[in-house]
Amino acid sequence: TQLLEQSPQFLSIQEGENLTVYCNSSSVFSSLQWYRQEPGEGPVLLVTVVTGGEVKKLKRLTFQFGDARKDSSLHITAAQPGDTGLYLCAGADQTGANNLFFGTGTRLTVIP
Amino acid sequence: DTGVSQDPRHKITKRGQNVTFRCDPISEHNRLYWYRQTLGQGPEFLTYFQNEAQLEKSRLLSDRFSAERPKGSFSTLEIQRTEQGDSAMYLCASSGTHLYTFGSGTRLTVV
Repeated sequence: TQLLEQSPQFLSIQEGENLTVYCNSSSVFSSLQWYRQEPGEGPVLLVTVVTGGEVKKLKRLTFQFGDARKDSSLHITAAQPGDTGLYLCAGADQTGANNLFFGTGTRLTVIP
Repeated sequence: DTGVSQDPRHKITKRGQNVTFRCDPISEHNRLYWYRQTLGQGPEFLTYFQNEAQLEKSRLLSDRFSAERPKGSFSTLEIQRTEQGDSAMYLCASSGTHLYTFGSGTRLTVV
């Protein structure tokens, strides 16, 4: 079983602050994806990183894939209340089936 | 095409009853996945199809769980003799290459 550990599990910050969420595993993944999930809805894809060392920016969000393709981080700059939600990382296995294995998630609350 | 559709959105059933959920994927996606998500956890992979072929089912939680995708389009997930521990959100996703699209899920409550 490919285990992905996310930290922190819960994060409550003031609007305007910066934050980083970490996703770590002992397994190597062919790609790693970050999702955001609202209550009662399915996860929505934010980004896919494929190459070790890759950095992708999406407005105030910066995603990094570790050189060894085992870990990743999500950095949010100047957090806004609209960023509140559950952030999930998911690694795709290397079998070619592209099955995703999810972390336990980081629940972010941004206080106005 | 508006994305992945799941039906029903909510299902309440009595323990011991059978339930079936449906998933309609994005039409051009040939892969379809089922996941289960319990409260406070990330989604847990159950099974997947490439077209009509079920290529991985060893992670189905027990022999009470089964899935089909008879014509390579929509899929159904059936749980027989439901137990209270089956209460969860059941998510379907489809993909072409790396890009997954998830449905909104079916929330099952077993009473």
